[in-house]
Amino acid sequence: NAGVTQTPKFRVLKTGQSMTLLCAQDMNHEYMYWYRQDPGMGLRLIHYSVGEGTTAKGEVPDGYNVSRLKKQNFLLGLESAAPSQTSVYFCASSPGTGGYRPQHFGDGTRLSIL
Amino acid sequence: LAKTTQPISMDSYEGQEVNITCSHNNIATNDYITWYQQFPSQGPRFIIQGYKTKVTNEVASLFIPADRKSSTLSLPRVSLSDTAVYYCLVGDMGTGFQKLVFGTGTRLLVSP
Repeated sequence: NAGVTQTPKFRVLKTGQSMTLLCAQDMNHEYMYWYRQDPGMGLRLIHYSVGEGTTAKGEVPDGYNVSRLKKQNFLLGLESAAPSQTSVYFCASSPGTGGYRPQHFGDGTRLSIL
Repeated sequence: LAKTTQPISMDSYEGQEVNITCSHNNIATNDYITWYQQFPSQGPRFIIQGYKTKVTNEVASLFIPADRKSSTLSLPRVSLSDTAVYYCLVGDMGTGFQKLVFGTGTRLLVSP
């Protein structure tokens, strides 16, 4: 059981380049999330999705776009990468209704922008 | 969303009990208290969650006083592998969607 899988694990970009981070979950979860974590800081929510075809902004959405075309996948895009977006990106998923259910996290994508 | 305050770091030795206290003075009636653990180069992992009084699982215990303005995560007989960052979060879990707010966490270092 893979859980939450993030691709790629590492990437180096030049300023202005674009890229897409892929998150896949095999737990049939309704909700999916993208966070970023900067050195010495906690996780900050970028975007989230409460179901296939829906997305919403989190705490720090600027410079990012997301899509949830399939229930199991949640894509995070950087259209024009900036050095300030150097960070570790985590994807998470959780079940839908039924009260509290903890989030399951992937192991992150380390992104460096030069 | 209720803000949480927890110690930046704690040190312990193998075999000791560790208690990490989290303050959340503005917790709302519908908020639950959740703790996550994060190892280097890994995503956070759920440890325990509670609403009031005491909750215990195979990994930890969570103590919540009646006023719910604080909570204490208790790790019995820690080992070197418990060295990690521990996050305390509060949020309304009633709808199933979890708009969690992670603070800076508590960095626990367990020494031999």
